[in-house]
Amino acid sequence: NAGVTQTPKFRVLKTGQSMTLLCAQDMNHEYMYWYRQDPGMGLRLIHYSVGEGTTAKGEVPDGYNVSRLKKQNFLLGLESAAPSQTSVYFCASSYTRGTGTREQYFGPGTRLTVT
Amino acid sequence: DAKTTQPPSMDCAEGRAANLPCNHSTISGNEYVYWYRQIHSQGPQYIIHGLKNNETNEMASLIITEDRKSSTLILPHATLRDTAVYYCIVRVVVYNQGGKLIFGQGTELSVKP
Repeated sequence: NAGVTQTPKFRVLKTGQSMTLLCAQDMNHEYMYWYRQDPGMGLRLIHYSVGEGTTAKGEVPDGYNVSRLKKQNFLLGLESAAPSQTSVYFCASSYTRGTGTREQYFGPGTRLTVT
Repeated sequence: DAKTTQPPSMDCAEGRAANLPCNHSTISGNEYVYWYRQIHSQGPQYIIHGLKNNETNEMASLIITEDRKSSTLILPHATLRDTAVYYCIVRVVVYNQGGKLIFGQGTELSVKP
């Protein structure tokens, strides 16, 4: 049981380049999330998904797109990277039970630098 | 979701109890109190959550005041590995509503030998 995994762990992009970050979970969780964390700050929610084929915007969605084609995978895309998107990106997943969603399980993070 | 206030940093001696306070004076009746921690450069880790009653698990205890305006996370015997940023989050738990977490700045706990 690997939990939540993220690919890649590190990446350096030039301004204007595109890339996709992959998040995978093997816990059969319905919900998945993408956060970013800037130095000295708490995490901020980018996009999230409540199930296969569904996505929704979080606090800071601009400049990002997401897709959830399979329940176990959640992809985060940057179409035209900007220096302001330099950050650490965390993926998380959670399940629902009883009265609602439960604790979130986080991946190890992807460190992205845009020059 | 209600806003929380935490001290930016705290120190604790190894082996002692670490008591981390959180103020959430505007909490609503259906909002839960969650605690997560983030050890340097790693993804956050869930610790505990509660609504009204005090809660305890293998990691920590959560004490919520009777008026629910504040809470305290207690690590009973802090070790060096408990050095981390601790986040107190309050949110509504609603079925099929995504369960979004709003992270603040947290408290940086340093456990010292």
